[in-house]
Amino acid sequence: KQEVTQIPAALSVPEGENLVLNCSFTDSAIYNLQWFRQDPGKGLTSLLLIQSSQREQTSGRLNASLDKSSGRSTLYIAASQPGDSATYLCAVRGRGSTLGRLYFGRGTQLTVWP
Amino acid sequence: EAQVTQNPRYLITVTGKKLTVTCSQNMNHEYMSWYRQDPGLGLRQIYYSMNVEVTDKGDVPEGYKVSRKEKRNFPLILESPSPNQTSLYFCASSLSGTGEQFFGPGTRLTVL
Repeated sequence: KQEVTQIPAALSVPEGENLVLNCSFTDSAIYNLQWFRQDPGKGLTSLLLIQSSQREQTSGRLNASLDKSSGRSTLYIAASQPGDSATYLCAVRGRGSTLGRLYFGRGTQLTVWP
Repeated sequence: EAQVTQNPRYLITVTGKKLTVTCSQNMNHEYMSWYRQDPGLGLRQIYYSMNVEVTDKGDVPEGYKVSRKEKRNFPLILESPSPNQTSLYFCASSLSGTGEQFFGPGTRLTVL
């Protein structure tokens, strides 16, 4: 069964820092990987989707990379702001018979202080 | 506005009283899915549907039922709720079974 791990579980940084969130998965046979943001008491907002054939995706200050062979993805946030404070989740989608399955990590809780 | 809606948003009920949580999307998405989120356990998939009349189990299907009779709706049914089903529930949809997932606002369920 696919296991997804996110490190660190929590991170607190001053405004302006560049930071990296990590996601690892045990089965490299994935279709794609998606990063989400979740604000307290709210639903999930999609940030970036990386297909298994891609190495990275960028959206504004966010850059996500994928190394499928090593089972790792990173989310890079440039010039962090207090508004970036949230929990960040990664999820991998299976392939073949598990194509409809989405496996989530437990998230990294990010706090950016002014 | 393109969105996934869930109703109700909050529900307190008692053990054994059947309930349905509705999920609807207005984006003509083929794929829909239900998740529950619990502290320390993260998000776990309950059921998913690749298209109308096609449903399959996720990680934690016990105690839940679903149906997909039309494309836009994917209700989650708890026939006999128990306290261990107290959780935050999310519905999500995507254009295809492999596409970007869009989530609803969540339903907080408490079973006494």
